[in-house]
Order: sequence, then structure tokens, then C-alpha cells
Amino acid sequence: AQSVTQLDSQVPVFEEAPVELRCNYSSSVSVYLFWYVQYPNQGLQLLLKYLSGSTLVESINGFEAEFNKSQTSFHLRKPSVHISDTAEYFCAVSGLTGGGNKLTFGTGTQLKVEL
Amino acid sequence: GAGVSQSPSNKVTEKGKDVELRCDPISGHTALYWYRQSLGQGLEFLIYFQGNSAPDKSGLPSDRFSAERTGGSVSTLTIQRTQQEDSAVYLCASSLQGDGYTFGSGTRLTVV
Repeated sequence: AQSVTQLDSQVPVFEEAPVELRCNYSSSVSVYLFWYVQYPNQGLQLLLKYLSGSTLVESINGFEAEFNKSQTSFHLRKPSVHISDTAEYFCAVSGLTGGGNKLTFGTGTQLKVEL
Repeated sequence: GAGVSQSPSNKVTEKGKDVELRCDPISGHTALYWYRQSLGQGLEFLIYFQGNSAPDKSGLPSDRFSAERTGGSVSTLTIQRTQQEDSAVYLCASSLQGDGYTFGSGTRLTVV
């Protein structure tokens, strides 16, 4: 079984400030890790993913996440946020099970960027 | 197709009626998921299809919910005798090897 914990349901931050959205997971098998973003009234979009290799992964819009196996974490960071980053962010884990790679989501973190 | 297609995009139905929601995954993707997202809630897993394996139905909330996937491609989620608490956005996602999941835009179901 696998699970994902996003401790912060809401994170308010001022524009141009740094932000970190926390994600911890538990799994008995090796995992793939994902961050999805959902902008207001839109569907889920893949932001970035860790499959293997370098533990630091980056997105095209300045977000990055680091896979930390010892701490079972995959926190999402951005050094300077913009108003357009206001959205809900979901961390997800995919682990190999008997039936394939099942995807499990956290409960989401609402990032609200203010002027 | 280029992405995951869901239809209809919006559905308003009367309480007690049956509804069918359709998902067209990306061609060749073997894994297909259905999730439900209610207002202010997270993503609730409903059902998972992987290749020819028996589907994981552990997330279906009641026996009014069922889903099938024909020919390893198109999937239909059926809700019988709809209730107001079924109102939500129903999301479908597909993946080739579990290394990335593409979501459709969802079907917004409103039960009145």
C-alpha cells in the first residue's frame, strides 16, 4: 500500500517570495513521484515528475522538486512566485503493485499568491 | 488522439436517472483511471484498469457505480439512480507505463 501526505491545505504567499509545498509519501516498493497543478476551473496538468536518476527535477515554469529517499519526501519549491502560480497543487505517488502502477494522490495544497 | 478526451463536458441530470460518462484515453495507453473531485475536496480514486488485468474497483463508492473498458481502449463510467451527492467532476486519466498520467478535462456532473 502507498499513501501521500500534504500537510498544508493552504499556503498564502506574497508575489516574488519563495514557496515550499510539502509532500511526504509512504510505500513498500520503489516509486515514481509527481506534482500536478490545477488552475481555477481547469483540469489537472502534470507539473513535474521523478522517475529515476537525478533527484532534483525541474518544470518549465521555475518550479523544482527534490526526491529525498531517506526522508520519503518530494517537496515542491519555487524561489520567486508569480500571481499566475495561484492554483491547487497535488502530489502523487505511483508504485508497482500486483496490478500495475497505481497512482495515489495527496489531498492537495491551495497556493494563493497575493500582491 | 493527442490527449484524453472525456464526454460530455457537462451533464445535468435529475435525481434517480442513470448517466454514462465516457473516456477516450490516449491511443496505446494501457492504464486508465477514473477519479472524482467534489467541490472543496481532493481527488477520490474510483477505479483503475491496467491492461488485461482485473480492474481495481476498490474506490467505487456504492453498487450504483460501475465502469467498463472495451477493447482496452474506451471506458464508460455508469452511475445508476443518481443522487445529489454524486454531483462532482469526474476525471479520467491514462498512462502507458505508469511513468506519467495524462488527465482529461473532466465531466462536470450536476444532479438536481
